[in-house]
Amino acid sequence: ETGVTQSPTHLIKTRGQQVTLRCSSQSGHNTVSWYQQALGQGPQFIFQYYREEENGRGNFPPRFSGLQFPNYSSELNVNALELDDSALYLCASSLEGASPLHFGNGTRLTVT
Amino acid sequence: GESVGLHLPTLSVQEGDNSIINCAYSNSASDYFIWYKQESGKGPQFIIDIRSNMDKRQGQRVTVLLNKTVKHLSLQIAATQPGDSAVYFCAENPGGYQKVTFGTGTKLQVIP
Repeated sequence: ETGVTQSPTHLIKTRGQQVTLRCSSQSGHNTVSWYQQALGQGPQFIFQYYREEENGRGNFPPRFSGLQFPNYSSELNVNALELDDSALYLCASSLEGASPLHFGNGTRLTVT
Repeated sequence: GESVGLHLPTLSVQEGDNSIINCAYSNSASDYFIWYKQESGKGPQFIIDIRSNMDKRQGQRVTVLLNKTVKHLSLQIAATQPGDSAVYFCAENPGGYQKVTFGTGTKLQVIP
C-alpha cells in the first residue's frame, strides 16, 4: 500500500509569485484535503476535493485553488504569494465519509 | 465559532508511566473525533478515532475517552515510551465533508 506523497519537500518563493504543490493520494482513497500548518499551530483546513470537484472550503481567499485528477492525485495552487503564506502545506487522502485522514509529510513553503 | 482546544501545551512524563492528554471541543454537532501524532518533520499520523455514539475506544496501548456532556476528549497512552515523544492533536469532524478541525497540539516529552 502506497501512502500519501507530496512534492516538492521544500520550496522558496518570492512575494507575489505563484506556486503549485503536488500530492499523490494513498491507493484506494478518492478524497483529498489540503491543510496549512503554521509553525507551532495545528493544521488549518484549506479545501477538499472529491470526484474532481471542490466540495468544502475553509477560510482561505480565492488565490488558493486546487485540482483533483481522475487518478485522485491533486494540486494546490497559490497565487500572489504573501509572506504569511510561509507554512507547511499538508495533503491528506481518505475515503468519502467520516474516516481517518492519511497525511503526507508536507511541503515546507518559505516566502521571502 | 467552532474550535478545538487543548488544556496543556507541554506534558512531561517518565518513561513507563501512563500519559493522559486532554482536549476540549466546542462544536456540539461534531460526531467524529480523531487523535493524531506528529513527529518533527513529518505529517500527522492517525492514532485512534471515536464516533459520538461511543464513550470509549481502545487500541494498542492507547485509549480514547469521549464525554459529550462536557465536550471533552482524552487520549491515554499506557507505558509511555521514548518513541511516543511528539506533538499530539485532537481533531473533530462536524459531519458532511471532512472539514476536520485541529487544535494547537500538546507536546509530549518522555523522560528516560
